[in-house]
Amino acid sequence: AQSVTQLGSHVSVSEGALVLLRCNYSSSVPPYLFWYVQYPNQGLQLLLKYTSAATLVKGINGFEAEFKKSETSFHLTKPSAHMSDAAEYFCAVSAGAGGFKTIFGAGTRLFVKA
Amino acid sequence: DTAVSQTPKYLVTQMGNDKSIKCEQNLGHDTMYWYKQDSKKFLKIMFSYNNKELIINETVPNRFSPKSPDKAHLNLHINSLELGDSAVYFCASSQEGGQSHGYTFGSGTRLTVV
Repeated sequence: AQSVTQLGSHVSVSEGALVLLRCNYSSSVPPYLFWYVQYPNQGLQLLLKYTSAATLVKGINGFEAEFKKSETSFHLTKPSAHMSDAAEYFCAVSAGAGGFKTIFGAGTRLFVKA
Repeated sequence: DTAVSQTPKYLVTQMGNDKSIKCEQNLGHDTMYWYKQDSKKFLKIMFSYNNKELIINETVPNRFSPKSPDKAHLNLHINSLELGDSAVYFCASSQEGGQSHGYTFGSGTRLTVV
């Protein structure tokens, strides 16, 4: 069975600092992995996805994530945080034959300090 | 033009009532989902439909009944509402199982049962 674990329910960074949000996955088959962002009172928006092509995946808003099979990790990074990055971030894995069921991590709330 | 639209956005109702939430997508996707997000932001899949057929039915009380009249619509009817049903319900859609391109989410329906 597939699962994801996000380390840290809250992360706080200063504006301009590196953002690092951690995600570890468990999967018995090659995983399809995703990061989503949720702004207050909104739905989730896809940031980026790993689908077994390049291990370094670039997404929207300057975010990127690296798939590391040996560490079963898919951490999300951004070189320089902006105030507008403050939001809830979810790591997710597609489960089941053919997908049809995405399992989400518990989420990490990112705070950005001026 | 909203890609995945849910109505209503807010729903306040008394225990024991029956209510429905509607979802429509104009992306041409063939798969639609209902997710429940609790007060701690945890997202749990409830149902997924592919080409109007039920694919995933998680351990959801049978008071919850989804209906998909066509590929573009997925409604959720809830009977005998309970306090514990209070949550944000998200509709989402994808092409096939969503492994290649992820999901597109609606903006959510905040259900409050009093």
